[in-house]
Amino acid sequence: NAGVTQTPKFRILKIGQSMTLQCTQDMNHNYMYWYRQDPGMGLKLIYYSVGAGITDKGEVPNGYNVSRSTTEDFPLRLELAAPSQTSVYFCASSYSGAQSVDTEAFFGQGTRLTVV
Amino acid sequence: DQQVKQNSPSLSVQEGRISILNCDYTNSMFDYFLWYKKYPAEGPTFLISISSIKDKNEDGRFTVFLNKSAKHLSLHIVPSQPGDSAVYFCAASDSGTYKYIFGTGTRLKVLA
Repeated sequence: NAGVTQTPKFRILKIGQSMTLQCTQDMNHNYMYWYRQDPGMGLKLIYYSVGAGITDKGEVPNGYNVSRSTTEDFPLRLELAAPSQTSVYFCASSYSGAQSVDTEAFFGQGTRLTVV
Repeated sequence: DQQVKQNSPSLSVQEGRISILNCDYTNSMFDYFLWYKKYPAEGPTFLISISSIKDKNEDGRFTVFLNKSAKHLSLHIVPSQPGDSAVYFCAASDSGTYKYIFGTGTRLKVLA
């Protein structure tokens, strides 16, 4: 049972380069999320999706884009990498979303991204 | 604006004693609260939750208390074990949105 899988685990980018962080889940969850974790800053929501074809901005969406063409996959795209995007990125999914009680989000292991 | 706050960045406790981790929130619309534990180089894992209709939820060594009037929740771990050493995040959501909002985390160290 894989759960939420993120690739790659580590990546170094040069300023201005672009990349896609991959996220896939095998739990048939409708809700998926992207968070970033900066040191001492907790987890900040970048984008989220309530189902295939539907995405919305979170707390810190600038510099990122997402798509949700299937239930399983929720890739995060960085178009022009900047040093401020150096962070650890976590993808998560949940069955019924934060709007329902007695549900929780399951997280991937994270992608550590460094922009130099 | 930090809607969920964990004001103690770190906490050290002796093995066998109680660990108390605190969390405050500002949004009165929040009605569901969760605690996650995170080990280094891993993603957060769900620990325990509580809805706003309750003031206490217990699961083994872990108990979460909610004080809605004070907009405060706490996680009690009794007895604390060295394997509990991790970063603990509290999170909150309201049933009108689809988002979990996280605090900044508290690093717990349980000393053997």
